[in-house]
Amino acid sequence: DGGITQSPKYLFRKEGQNVTLSCEQNLNHDAMYWYRQDPGQGLRLIYYSQIVNDFQKGDIAEGYSVSREKKESFPLTVTSAQKNPTAFYLCASSPGAVSNQPQHFGDGTRLSIL
Amino acid sequence: GENVEQHPSTLSVQEGDSAVIKCTYSDSASNYFPWYKQELGKGPQLIIDIRSNVGEKKDQRIAVTLNKTAKHFSLHITETQPEDSAVYFCAATIQYNFNKFYFGSGTKLNVKP
Repeated sequence: DGGITQSPKYLFRKEGQNVTLSCEQNLNHDAMYWYRQDPGQGLRLIYYSQIVNDFQKGDIAEGYSVSREKKESFPLTVTSAQKNPTAFYLCASSPGAVSNQPQHFGDGTRLSIL
Repeated sequence: GENVEQHPSTLSVQEGDSAVIKCTYSDSASNYFPWYKQELGKGPQLIIDIRSNVGEKKDQRIAVTLNKTAKHFSLHITETQPEDSAVYFCAATIQYNFNKFYFGSGTKLNVKP
């Protein structure tokens, strides 16, 4: 089945540690996105990528980094500079260049601080 | 930029009743409006969408209406069932803005058996 796979489902970070969240899609989508979701809030865009080797900051990029070396993969690193990383992280993808197509989401990674 | 507001934040209905969730948007250039359902511990799933050249769209018990003049769109769920209980998000995209979505803050729907 085509879809988006996020791993791990749960992740714990120690103070001062960087952690990387994995996102893989087999939908052959050009565009990929990372969102942060806090309790009772909507989705806030961290980074997005329109094409391989290119990405742009979203609304809350500080303390995060990404890479897009392969079409199917868009890992997110939560750095030690992100002082409040506890949240639910969602990865999404869409066909990309053609606008007005829905985004498809993975099942998320819940990150907590030890 | 675009701003999407969603109401109510929580909604409790009796099984079999209808539920309505409303969203407003600020940028008249927005022309695509999807609705997502998010169950606990899962990612949002697309349930219905509407484009600006259409005023209403139905899919079984779910319908979406769009009023471009007033810049608001609504999700209607009829004959609600306990499995409809979830968080629902509306979203809007600005035309030619490379599929960048602006999400509402979500509505937690509780359908009481």
